[in-house]
Amino acid sequence: DIVMTQSPDSLAVSLGERATINCKSSQTVSSSSTNKNYLTWYQQKPGQPPKVLIYWASSRGSGVPDRFSGSGSGTDFTLTISSLQAEDVAVYYCHQYYSIPITFGQGTRLEIK
Amino acid sequence: QVLLQESGPGLVKPSGTLSLTCTVSGGSINTNDWWTWVRQPPGKGLDWIGEISRSGSTNYNPSLKSRVTISLDMSKNQFSLDLSSVTAADTAVYYCARGRNLANWGQGTLVTVSS
Repeated sequence: DIVMTQSPDSLAVSLGERATINCKSSQTVSSSSTNKNYLTWYQQKPGQPPKVLIYWASSRGSGVPDRFSGSGSGTDFTLTISSLQAEDVAVYYCHQYYSIPITFGQGTRLEIK
Repeated sequence: QVLLQESGPGLVKPSGTLSLTCTVSGGSINTNDWWTWVRQPPGKGLDWIGEISRSGSTNYNPSLKSRVTISLDMSKNQFSLDLSSVTAADTAVYYCARGRNLANWGQGTLVTVSS
């Protein structure tokens, strides 16, 4: 199984400041044949299902504000929120679907400082 | 926009079978997508349960494989989850989702295992 490890487990950032969440996979989740990274970032707020923020590691989902961006390839990925807003308080998960079983990171809780 | 909705009992007795159905609307289940179940224990992270294709091929999480069955009903545009021999550890919000990239999610349904 591919183990997804996020860091940090929790993060407190001031409004308007940058937030950075990392995700490391135990094996590559990038395909040389398709040139794609099988890595998605989700945002989950209490009582709601996860919402896709970033797919293919760096493509923003529909309606996702441009302050959210994703980067990385291979085994190391990053989610960046360029200017934190109050509505960004949530738990963030990375997820790989390069191989079965599909696996998730343990989540990163983002709060306002 | 494809919408998914989970349905089923919210309470299941220990050693019983948890059975849920996901109804897909706004699109056909007869596509190249995989149809997926994910669960989330209260206050914890996300766990992939398994998936089914339109041909009926399935993949399951090895940790649950002996207890899980996922099936498809094209005529009703639904897919279903059965989880047998449940214990309190199976208490969770259960989500259905579209695709391996989990592009669309249902709202989730809480299933509690308790006598």
